[in-house]
Amino acid sequence: QVQLQESGPGLVKPSETLSLTCTVSGDSVTSDNSYWTWIRQPPGKEPEWIGYIFYTGSTNYNPSLERRVTISVDTSKNQFSLRLTSVTAADTAVYYCARENINWFDPWGQGALVTVSS
Amino acid sequence: QSVLTQPPSVSGAPGQRVTISCTGSSSNIGAGYHVHWYQQLPGTAPKLLIYSNNNRPSGVPDRFSGSKSGTSASLAITGLQAEDEADYYCQSRDSSLSSYVFGTGTKVTVL
Repeated sequence: QVQLQESGPGLVKPSETLSLTCTVSGDSVTSDNSYWTWIRQPPGKEPEWIGYIFYTGSTNYNPSLERRVTISVDTSKNQFSLRLTSVTAADTAVYYCARENINWFDPWGQGALVTVSS
Repeated sequence: QSVLTQPPSVSGAPGQRVTISCTGSSSNIGAGYHVHWYQQLPGTAPKLLIYSNNNRPSGVPDRFSGSKSGTSASLAITGLQAEDEADYYCQSRDSSLSSYVFGTGTKVTVL
């Protein structure tokens, strides 16, 4: 079955850049009907959609984060990545990667807690 | 704060039926966008429970059902079981925000 796994630093300093990678197994990031997505969930709050990438490199970002977000894809490694610049404590959250299918998200990775603190 | 509002909590005894509402507006649910539901067990990632208003993915028990009307949607759980204790989130798309949006979340407690 399709599985996604997030990886990256669990602690980032304020004003620095958060970087995470999602490794996909059981499916190809070059799939014609999948959009590879990042979602985050601050402690005790609802999830927040960050954005997605299609294998061609086409992206779509949450306007509230667009100035600071970049999502990229590496088809040779079957991975996609997230970069979030100029982080603050408000960016502390569990970050999930997921596959989008016609506007819903399934499956999700297990999540990676990223804490922004000096 | 999310544009999709859910009750913070609902509870019921084993075997009972509970419903969770998801109230939106004319820029999301009322605009015709589908509603999807997720179940988040403690310490785990959200899992797709209902897609496109009323469809269950393979493996989801038929005790779970979804509906949509106007600017709102609902998730019903019949024959409530202890393993259903979790947080539940609705999700849709919002044209004004140009973004996918999640509901505020509802914690289901089995008494």
